[in-house]
Amino acid sequence: DTGVSQDPRHKITKRGQNVTFRCDPISEHNRLYWYRQTLGQGPEFLTYFQNEAQLEKSRLLSDRFSAERPKGSFSTLEIQRTEQGDSAMYLCASSLEGTYTEAFFGQGTRLTVV
Amino acid sequence: AQSVTQLGSHVSVSEGALVLLRCNYSSSVPPYLFWYVQYPNQGLQLLLKYTTGATLVKGINGFEAEFKKSETSFHLTKPSAHMSDAAEYFCAVSGSLNQAGTALIFGKGTTLSVSS
Repeated sequence: DTGVSQDPRHKITKRGQNVTFRCDPISEHNRLYWYRQTLGQGPEFLTYFQNEAQLEKSRLLSDRFSAERPKGSFSTLEIQRTEQGDSAMYLCASSLEGTYTEAFFGQGTRLTVV
Repeated sequence: AQSVTQLGSHVSVSEGALVLLRCNYSSSVPPYLFWYVQYPNQGLQLLLKYTTGATLVKGINGFEAEFKKSETSFHLTKPSAHMSDAAEYFCAVSGSLNQAGTALIFGKGTTLSVSS
């Protein structure tokens, strides 16, 4: 297994455009998390899936953001009508089910909104 | 609510010197604590974690951390710094989502520089 992979690694988009990111977790992991990291800050939790069910969303996840995990495998994060404030690194992590099990992170997708 | 404060956004040490990265947490429940390292253009890698039991936790690459409940601290140390330790380090506490899962609450990070 090659770990958590994210695609694309970098994305530059014009303000107002829609973007979609993909995350492929470690195959046996049923939990999947999305975080956002801005310059000089630690990662901030966005949303979480247990298999295909989206169980929690942060208040950071505005109506322009939507995430899916069809069939409990890969996940997508879509941002509609992007704003310059959306520029950040978007990190995906996955883990096994269990109490406080280790989360494995992908390398992230860096979004720049111009 | 849970939170993490990392004291010092930037720490510089000489190669071979002691590394000390400070982390204080706030939690209304017994915390689970983590240190992650992030190298440039890479994802976060777990260094070590404290869940229950022994308060001195050993991790990868010679790092260790001690959970001190009375001080609400979880400082990261390494006796002798190596050039390859230069990276950004994040302390995190487990946040409670629901009965099934958790998310991590991260500090702002500390950049460690190592000079020869």
